[in-house]
Amino acid sequence: DQQVKQNSPSLSVQEGRISILNCDYTNSMFDYFLWYKKYPAEGPTFLISISSIKDKNEDGRFTVFLNKSAKHLSLHIVPSQPGDSAVYFCAASGYMEYGNKLVFGAGTILRVKS
Amino acid sequence: DAMVIQNPRYQVTQFGKPVTLSCSQTLNHNVMYWYQQKSSQAPKLLFHYYDKDFNNEADTPDNFQSRRPNTSFCFLDIRSPGLGDAAMYLCATSITGGTDTQYFGPGTRLTVL
Repeated sequence: DQQVKQNSPSLSVQEGRISILNCDYTNSMFDYFLWYKKYPAEGPTFLISISSIKDKNEDGRFTVFLNKSAKHLSLHIVPSQPGDSAVYFCAASGYMEYGNKLVFGAGTILRVKS
Repeated sequence: DAMVIQNPRYQVTQFGKPVTLSCSQTLNHNVMYWYQQKSSQAPKLLFHYYDKDFNNEADTPDNFQSRRPNTSFCFLDIRSPGLGDAAMYLCATSITGGTDTQYFGPGTRLTVL
């Protein structure tokens, strides 16, 4: 039962262009969403988050959009840089019967070509 | 630098031979988590500690146990590893849990022969 889905296993983008990573969720109890970035041989690191009371959060080159009606969020990276090449995990959180914890998607591998 | 450290980075064990993975943190966070991540899959929470309180996920096999002797250290014990337990094991910490940012260690890659 995948509650958080990242349907694109990989994405390849030219340097300077926009990267758009997508994430869908099924549980309407989720109210907080995060993106983590992971380089090889390192653990995931927090990138950006958004609360369900917002539909957009921006931090430098990174913007996360949330569409609650569609249960969809996306991460936009503009402009993309070669150093952005990594695995990006979408995660969702919300208080449920088993407590408040993160549920991760399977990740999307982003390759930024120079 | 404050951080989350996992030892060893790579662990090879034999089928059925107990193995212990270690995690330590210098962040002084209250919550420590253990995740299992198999290839191309999402990290899956096994259990977490809020201070000394242990919280097991309902679908975590009994084969997996954990200890947290103090704030800084947390161990994952696999009592009788099977081939299906080969995975990356990630340790993470957060200040109070919930929606707090989780800080991850680099992971331990477990191979079961």
